[in-house]
Amino acid sequence: DTEVTQTPKHLVMGMTNKKSLKCEQHMGHRAMYWYKQKAKKPPELMFVYSYEKLSINESVPSRFSPECPNSSLLNLHLHALQPEDSALYLCASSQGSTGAYEQYFGPGTRLTVT
Amino acid sequence: ELKVEQNPLFLSMQEGKNYTIYCNYSTTSDRLYWYRQDPGKSLESLFVLLSNGAVKQEGRLMASLDTKARLSTLHITAAVHDLSATYFCAVDLRVGGSNYKLTFGKGTLLTVNP
Repeated sequence: DTEVTQTPKHLVMGMTNKKSLKCEQHMGHRAMYWYKQKAKKPPELMFVYSYEKLSINESVPSRFSPECPNSSLLNLHLHALQPEDSALYLCASSQGSTGAYEQYFGPGTRLTVT
Repeated sequence: ELKVEQNPLFLSMQEGKNYTIYCNYSTTSDRLYWYRQDPGKSLESLFVLLSNGAVKQEGRLMASLDTKARLSTLHITAAVHDLSATYFCAVDLRVGGSNYKLTFGKGTLLTVNP
């Protein structure tokens, strides 16, 4: 199974809402990632979890809060977002985070903030 | 700071023709990846290049890596419409401790016309 799943596929939320994005993999990977991708732009790294611990935070605003409950699950909690946060949010996983490991991407959650 | 430059950013080509996409990067790395992205979809891994001189081929696509020149190429042979997509190169770079980060080029939007 080389699949990374993400839910929901689409999400529309107001600026005062609280919502969560979910990512799951069952490949035994020990590194998981959140990326943000705006239209016609490359993905931008947000967070990296390695062995369930946050190892990289790319200076992401606190309205985005990642959580890794176990080695298979990665959540991204959203609160008080701005319209400019509307984007495709991609989750990825790899065997490790120490380089030379291919990242497998999920289908993404398309987020619209109104 | 690592810079990854792709060119061209836009490529319109006829079916049956050959062309090459270039990916230059600014810092020494021997780990480079090519991804394909269809509109509104996630990233699909095409090639993983992990050493100088690495060459990989899949169908009409062939990728190579020259770490000394800090250059990777994605060559398209006898293009067909199904190859129309955005192609990203991404370079893996150590960012501190044992952590690595993927930095993407801006992407090349390829359109193959009949």
